Amino acid sequence: GAGVSQSPRYKVAKRGQDVALRCDPISGHVSLFWYQQALGQGPEFLTYFQNEAQLDKSGLPSDRFFAERPEGSVSTLKIQRTQQEDSAVYLCASSLVGKGKSTEAFFGQGTRLTVV
Amino acid sequence: SQQGEEDPQALSIQEGENATMNCSYKTSINNLQWYRQNSGRGLVHLILIRSNEREKHSGRLRVTLDTSKKSSSLLITASRAADTASYFCASPGRMRFGAGTRLTVKP
Repeated sequence: GAGVSQSPRYKVAKRGQDVALRCDPISGHVSLFWYQQALGQGPEFLTYFQNEAQLDKSGLPSDRFFAERPEGSVSTLKIQRTQQEDSAVYLCASSLVGKGKSTEAFFGQGTRLTVV
Repeated sequence: SQQGEEDPQALSIQEGENATMNCSYKTSINNLQWYRQNSGRGLVHLILIRSNEREKHSGRLRVTLDTSKKSSSLLITASRAADTASYFCASPGRMRFGAGTRLTVKP
């Protein structure tokens, strides 16, 4: 596809359940970002990949959150033992070159996670 | 990384009027990007301005950047109801997103 694709679009999880959110970046894009966005707030940075290397995971809120990008393309954000406060929209973005360089970052439509 | 701060938090105007929103930041950046987000949707990239640029135009959008003041502004001319959205500034990877400016354009 031409854009960043995220799946599923919507996910309802019972508290304590593990979830996996997928991001397909634009083909050839080196950088990949994950963000968490609560209702009415701006996106909060979670983690950053350059190819398969996770260069920054300072935004992950707890050790229940884990992200990977093993082959430098598709990325998965995994949340273990989900809690109600994990309910949010999870956004993925990709850009052509490395962190801090002058290229646009393109966002997917997000995955809305609701923990009940 | 530092966070961008958009100002005002909310702006309400009539269709046809111009809308100006501002962004301030504290860290050094190579570029600044503006995004629009409609309710419940993903962020749409609007415009990128590099640190060596002072002004950039794209259709009805005009962005300025003052690196000495670490500030940027986004001007939307001849606004339309479809411009109703939240607007964010950021330098992905360098600067976090702020809470955004919520723009409402009344028909």
